[in-house]
Amino acid sequence: EAGVAQSPRYKIIEKRQSVAFWCNPISGHATLYWYQQILGQGPKLLIQFQNNGVVDDSQLPKDRFSAERLKGVDSTLKIQPAKLEDSAVYLCASSLSGLAGGETQYFGPGTRLLVL
Amino acid sequence: AQSVSQHNHHVILSEAASLELGCNYSYGGTVNLFWYVQYPGQHLQLLLKYFSGDPLVKGIKGFEAEFIKSKFSFNLRKPSVQWSDTAEYFCAVNAGTGRRALTFGSGTRLQVQP
Repeated sequence: EAGVAQSPRYKIIEKRQSVAFWCNPISGHATLYWYQQILGQGPKLLIQFQNNGVVDDSQLPKDRFSAERLKGVDSTLKIQPAKLEDSAVYLCASSLSGLAGGETQYFGPGTRLLVL
Repeated sequence: AQSVSQHNHHVILSEAASLELGCNYSYGGTVNLFWYVQYPGQHLQLLLKYFSGDPLVKGIKGFEAEFIKSKFSFNLRKPSVQWSDTAEYFCAVNAGTGRRALTFGSGTRLQVQP
């Protein structure tokens, strides 16, 4: 079974530039999550999709971050404009239904972003 | 709001030593609890989880964890660590109902010396 795919793996940009990350979840998984992991911290949820609808985006800095999952499969996360404090690893995860609390979330390899 | 505390930030052990990593959570309702591991250069993967039933759960690679509701704890244990257990370990929680996204602790970096 193929895992969660993410690209690019690494990205270096200058502040005020824009950047986009892509995620393809495990086939058949209805729920997709984007987490931000700052160095020395645990992952923190940015946004959760159930199929192509947003379930939770309460911690997404909406003035600069946006995300979409138009066809209920793959997803893109965009930052525009980037700030120095956006330097982090951006993790994508998926789960089968998102309805059962004990359901396993499967994580991708992450995209490591450095903002200079 | 949920929160998770992992008090050990960096643990160094010799091979064959026993391991216990602490995890405490803050949430008043029903919870589901997880331990994830990140080996060097690899992605986060599930070690074990608790969502109901026996509070002592067994995971992969000889790890186990015990859910103690009265202490709001879910400590991870392994009787004898190996060099290959060197990794970062994250405790996480989500609520029993509603929001499914995980709230993670800050992680514990385990270094096992041969």
